Amino acid sequence: NAGVTQTPKFRVLKTGQSMTLLCAQDMNHEYMYWYRQDPGMGLRLIHYSVGEGTTAKGEVPDGYNVSRLKKQNFLLGLESAAPSQTSVYFCASSYSSGSPLHFGNGTRLTVT
Amino acid sequence: TQLLEQSPQFLSIQEGENLTVYCNSSSVFSSLQWYRQEPGEGPVLLVTVVTGGEVKKLKRLTFQFGDARKDSSLHITAAQPGDTGLYLCAGSFSSNTGKLIFGQGTTLQVKP
Repeated sequence: NAGVTQTPKFRVLKTGQSMTLLCAQDMNHEYMYWYRQDPGMGLRLIHYSVGEGTTAKGEVPDGYNVSRLKKQNFLLGLESAAPSQTSVYFCASSYSSGSPLHFGNGTRLTVT
Repeated sequence: TQLLEQSPQFLSIQEGENLTVYCNSSSVFSSLQWYRQEPGEGPVLLVTVVTGGEVKKLKRLTFQFGDARKDSSLHITAAQPGDTGLYLCAGSFSSNTGKLIFGQGTTLQVKP
């Protein structure tokens, strides 16, 4: 029972490089989310999706793009990484609006 | 912007002591969830409260939702070292989108 799986677990980028974080869920959830977690700031929503083929902006979307081509996958892309994007990134999924979130174990990204 | 204030930010106590964590907003929540997060892992749901005045208990943890649904508290009785972790409240302000806004989190350390 995998739940929500994030890859990779760790990544170091240089400023200006690009990368994609992958999130996969096996619970057939409609909703998927990408959050970033920084010390003292809790979790902030980057982008989310309410179903396959849909995406929407969260609180802090600038510098990120997402895609939900398949229901079980939600990809987060950084086109040109900046040091301010150094953070821990969490993917989550939920069955419906307002229902509990199931989180992955995070990706620690460092941009130098 | 709907803000969710969580306090205190840090708490270090001795085993056996009681503690309370608060979560407040100027807006009315549709529902409120409490999560616990351990290092290197994603947050895990503890409880969801929906009805104003609602009280839920989970062993030594008591969760209360304010009558006006603008605040919530988490009370731990006789804290144990195993309670150590980051506690996060998350409020849903719009049931249509399912977006959750997280508080800054409370880091709890329970010393033996």
